[in-house]
Amino acid sequence: DTGVSQNPRHKITKRGQNVTFRCDPISEHNRLYWYRQTLGQGPEFLTYFQNEAQLEKSRLLSDRFSAERPKGSFSTLEIQRTEQGDSAMYLCASSGRQGAAWTQYFGPGTRLLVL
Amino acid sequence: KNEVEQSPQNLTAQEGEFITINCSYSVGISALHWLQQHPGGGIVSLFMLSSGKKKHGRLIATINIQEKHSSLHITASHPRDSAVYICAVGGSNYKLTFGKGTLLTVNP
Repeated sequence: DTGVSQNPRHKITKRGQNVTFRCDPISEHNRLYWYRQTLGQGPEFLTYFQNEAQLEKSRLLSDRFSAERPKGSFSTLEIQRTEQGDSAMYLCASSGRQGAAWTQYFGPGTRLLVL
Repeated sequence: KNEVEQSPQNLTAQEGEFITINCSYSVGISALHWLQQHPGGGIVSLFMLSSGKKKHGRLIATINIQEKHSSLHITASHPRDSAVYICAVGGSNYKLTFGKGTLLTVNP
């Protein structure tokens, strides 16, 4: 399967703990995006990378959140000192240029529950 | 006011009916996407549009750039079409801004 993969698929943690999620994009894609989706809402943009450079961060990404893409391939999203409000689905997407198109391909998501 | 508004929020149809979901946006865009999300969370991209109309099987997507409006149509709807349909718009950096989604239920 050469699609976008995310691990873990589900994570339950206690408030105050740190969690880290991983996203493996489609191999030839140089852009990678993180989104967060809470129940009943559409996804919201968190951050995106072009190769290893983090080009934009949303105001939603507080200082407890950090994302990296060290070699321009996989990416990690870490949440420190988790809060119950962090409970959500964290989605990763990647895109690569096909002519003028930058279609984003989504991973299955990591569902986080903070108790 | 959200930058991307979808209507209706919920839609129930009988199998075989023609379905329309609407999306209006208030920002300048490079492209508009229609996405499908099934229970459990996985998102599939259905269409990316910057003008005109696209068709794939029973799905048709149209966009009117001047009116900042797009529609997703499903012909001969089927229970397997039941899902959340999300409209998303992309700017120059192609990050997406999403609508809240339309929950479609197609009954047999």
